[in-house]
Amino acid sequence: DIQMTQSPSSLSASVGDRVTITCRASQGISHYLAWYQQKPGKAPKLLIYAASTLLSGVPSRFSGSGSGTDFTLTISSLQPEDVATYYCQKYHSVPLPFGGGTKVEIK
Amino acid sequence: EVQLLESGGGLMQPGGSLRLSCAASAFTFSSFAMTWVRQAPGKGLEWVATIRGSDGSGSDGSTFYADSVKGRFTISRDNSRNTLYLQMNSLRAEDTAIYYCAKVWTGNGWLLDYWGQGTLVTVSS
Repeated sequence: DIQMTQSPSSLSASVGDRVTITCRASQGISHYLAWYQQKPGKAPKLLIYAASTLLSGVPSRFSGSGSGTDFTLTISSLQPEDVATYYCQKYHSVPLPFGGGTKVEIK
Repeated sequence: EVQLLESGGGLMQPGGSLRLSCAASAFTFSSFAMTWVRQAPGKGLEWVATIRGSDGSGSDGSTFYADSVKGRFTISRDNSRNTLYLQMNSLRAEDTAIYYCAKVWTGNGWLLDYWGQGTLVTVSS
């Protein structure tokens, strides 16, 4: 089965900073990579799919890139409301593993 | 707007059984695959099970399970009630988690586009 690995597991950055989270698949998954945002005490929400397509309503400071095995989620200018844990997931076939998550905090 | 409302969680003893429900609204439930995802306290997300839609147009209601629950959990659906279920048997302490149901975005792999708020299952003696 394909494994998903995220890094870092946590980060602390200042408001306005550029933040980058990486996700690596143990085998190629083409562009079938999604990013979810989970705010404290809330359910996850779909943020990005097909590696780089933002869901409607997601602020443009979020972006995704990559294909095959290496993917990136970038927040171009971190805002207080972006405090959350972010998960990647491959979704082209079951099983549907998630990455371990990256907790983003404000410094 | 799509709504998913889980229920049925609670405190159970190891070895016990529990059935979770997920009531769906504002979409044609029978046509969409559905998924259960869980999250142990303070931990990450873990895919549990998925069931295809079963509307007779090619969706056959087939099921898929994570190895950690295979043989103990059963995912099912009642399209007449717009409800998804997760029957959990032989519960273990490591099954303690918030259980979320999620709708699959048809035609886009198994992408989870809407999630419920979750229901907490605690397995402890």
